[in-house]
Amino acid sequence: DQQVKQNSPSLSVQEGRISILNCDYTNSMFDYFLWYKKYPAEGPTFLISISSIKDKNEDGRFTVFLNKSAKHLSLHIVPSQPGDSAVYFCAASEWGAQKLVFGQGTRLTINP
Amino acid sequence: DAGVIQSPRHEVTEMGQEVTLRCKPISGHDYLFWYRQTMMRGLELLIYFNNNVPIDDSGMPEDRFSAKMPNASFSTLKIQPSEPRDSAVYFCASSMAGYRNYGYTFGSGTRLTVV
Repeated sequence: DQQVKQNSPSLSVQEGRISILNCDYTNSMFDYFLWYKKYPAEGPTFLISISSIKDKNEDGRFTVFLNKSAKHLSLHIVPSQPGDSAVYFCAASEWGAQKLVFGQGTRLTINP
Repeated sequence: DAGVIQSPRHEVTEMGQEVTLRCKPISGHDYLFWYRQTMMRGLELLIYFNNNVPIDDSGMPEDRFSAKMPNASFSTLKIQPSEPRDSAVYFCASSMAGYRNYGYTFGSGTRLTVV
């Protein structure tokens, strides 16, 4: 039972344009959401997070949007750069829980 | 800080052999997690520890898998006997309570191939 789903295995975007990565979840007890970025032969690294009391969080070129009623979150990258090419994982946790539940990941490729 | 250190980086073994993966968490982190990455399921949590005590091992696929954390600076994940379907990248991660501001720190992973 996949509680966190990333339905797009891959995404290709032109440099300078907006990249939008999507994530859906099924567990209504999730109240904290994170995005991780992973380069080949490296471990995932934390990128940005959002609490369920917010619907948007920004950090430079990265913005995460949360739609609780739709159980959907998205990561926007503007403008996209070649160094953004990586696999992006969405993750979620319940209040008070230490463990994170991850999605399958989306491979983002930024084309020059 | 050297980060989370995993060894070996790559392991190739024959079916039926015992495999031991190792992890050194970041000093001061009191949580340690073992994840497995596959194409189909992404990052799956296998087991996690708090202050060296296993808290949740519900993700361990079978009795062939076992994990220990004998002290705050070392953990092992053992597969005995190994099978080809165990081939995956295994990640160790650590965090402090209150991780929500900055997430976990992952190691670079061990790529396991069982032939």
